[in-house]
Order: sequence, then structure tokens, then C-alpha cells
Amino acid sequence: SQQGEEDPQALSIQEGENATMNCSYKTSINNLQWYRQNSGRGLVHLILIRSNEREKHSGRLRVTLDTSKKSSSLLITASRAADTASYFCATGLPSNTGKLIFGQGTTLQVKP
Amino acid sequence: DSGVTQTPKHLITATGQRVTLRCSPRSGDLSVYWYQQSLDQGLQFLIHYYNGEERAKGNILERFSAQQFPDLHSELNLSSLELGDSALYFCASSVAETVNYGYTFGSGTRLTVV
Repeated sequence: SQQGEEDPQALSIQEGENATMNCSYKTSINNLQWYRQNSGRGLVHLILIRSNEREKHSGRLRVTLDTSKKSSSLLITASRAADTASYFCATGLPSNTGKLIFGQGTTLQVKP
Repeated sequence: DSGVTQTPKHLITATGQRVTLRCSPRSGDLSVYWYQQSLDQGLQFLIHYYNGEERAKGNILERFSAQQFPDLHSELNLSSLELGDSALYFCASSVAETVNYGYTFGSGTRLTVV
């Protein structure tokens, strides 16, 4: 079963706008990670936020984590056409095995 | 180039056949993970190896098996293939055994069973 659920499933915005994607999960986590996948290609790791962190930044990316609500959000600021991709959240469980459980993803289209 | 090499990139085979997918992890990474991605099931964890030993199993069918060799490359064997096995199979690697680090993914093997 899927641990994470992304919302929305699809998002279409204009270049220059901000894009926000949300992820909800069901159980306690060790950390939460976000990945990007361009069509039919391998996933690329974007950012990792630990369960004791609330916010993290990396370039135009801002990730928040609310463990009380079991949710996370990924904000991409000043979006570009090259940001068009699917974005997945993945959770690492407290058992600290290496396994990540991925959500179904949000498909982002950035129109030039 | 992510540093994780998967071969072949594409594979078309008939039902009932057996195939082997190969993965070479990024240099220095000891963990290898296999995932299956399909439109209806999303990304499903199959199996995790660390330094040659199996560490975790997910929704891996009995018809599927994997191993990690002493040089750390890994192979995923799929047998008695069915149409429903058509999917993208990804290998990912990470430096540690635990989940505290991000994965580096390969570009995947697209398997089509006809």
C-alpha cells in the first residue's frame, strides 16, 4: 500500500509562478524526501527533511514538514518550463531500513 | 549521467520467458534497491541489498529474484513473465544501509511483455 499521497495529482501553471505540491502520509517517519522524474526517466533526489526539522530550502525549493498532521509540502518558486516533471514524495520509516515508500506523484506542467 | 547504470534500456519479450536486468551502483554506494513503476501501481519497492546481503523485501513476486554480487552490481531476474509484468524497472543506490540518505536512480529498464 502507498504511504504517501500527493495532492494535487496534476498542476498546470505559467512560467514565473510558484508551484505548491502536498504530500500526506500515514505512519511515523524518520525522514521525508522529494524526487523529480522527467517523463519516462529515472528519479532525481531533490531534498531530504528529517522528522525533527520543520522547513528546509535548496535553491528555488522550499520544503515544509508537519509531523503532527503527517504532511509535507514542496514549493517551487519562480517556476521554469524545465521544471515540468512529476514530483514524488517518499518516506523513510523509523525502523531505519533503507526502504523508501513513494507516493503516486504530482504531475507539474509549466507553460512558457 | 547519475552514476547508476542499468542495462538493457529496453526489453521486449514474450509471455512465459525469463529475463535478467542488470544494475551497477554509483561508485562507493553499497546499497542497491529495485523498484517497479507502472501506471496503475506507481513505484513499488521490490528488494534491497546492502553489501551483498538481502536487507528488505517488498511486494516482490515469487517469480522474481535478485542478488548482489561481490563487485556490488545487482541483477533482477524475472521469470514466467506475464503481460502484467510490463513496467519500468528502476535500480537505485545509496551509500548507507539506512534511509538517512537520498537514492541515486538509474535511467531504468522498460520491459514490455507481449
